[in-house]
Amino acid sequence: DGGITQSPKYLFRKEGQNVTLSCEQNLNHDAMYWYRQDPGQGLRLIYYSQIVNDFQKGDIAEGYSVSREKKESFPLTVTSAQKNPTAFYLCASSNPSEKLFFGSGTQLSVL
Amino acid sequence: AQSVTQLDSQVPVFEEAPVELRCNYSSSVSVYLFWYVQYPNQGLQLLLKYLSGSTLVKGINGFEAEFNKSQTSFHLRKPSVHISDTAEYFCAVSDTGTASKLTFGTGTRLQVTL
Repeated sequence: DGGITQSPKYLFRKEGQNVTLSCEQNLNHDAMYWYRQDPGQGLRLIYYSQIVNDFQKGDIAEGYSVSREKKESFPLTVTSAQKNPTAFYLCASSNPSEKLFFGSGTQLSVL
Repeated sequence: AQSVTQLDSQVPVFEEAPVELRCNYSSSVSVYLFWYVQYPNQGLQLLLKYLSGSTLVKGINGFEAEFNKSQTSFHLRKPSVHISDTAEYFCAVSDTGTASKLTFGTGTRLQVTL
């Protein structure tokens, strides 16, 4: 079945540590997105990529980094510069002008 | 830039009652509008979308929404809800030039009880 796989489902970060969230899709979508979800704030766009080897900052990119070396993969690294990383992270993909397909999310918490 | 306002953070309703979840948007350009649903600890699923044409849009699970350009609204409705409709609902907007880059509202928690 086609879809988006996010891993791990739960992730814990120690202070000063970088952690990487995985997002893989087998839908052959060109575009991929990372959203952060906080209670009462909805979803906010962190980074997006419309094509391999290219990505743009979203509304809250500070403290995060991404790469898009393969069409299927769009990993998100939460760096130590992100001072409030605890949130639910959602990856999504789409083709141009089509609906977003979402993964099931990763809950990141700080130890 | 666009913005979305969901006026109600929580909406409690009894099973089999009708429900309306409100969404207003602002944009200086033409927009596409969406409603997504999120069940606990899951990603989002598309309920329905308005791209053009008829202003009344029907989606999955018996939901529908009406695009009102003059009031810049896109309210979601269901005539009779079920317990299984309990979830978080997000309204989203994109401009027609970047249709997949969405701006989301803060969400409305629909709580259906017996």
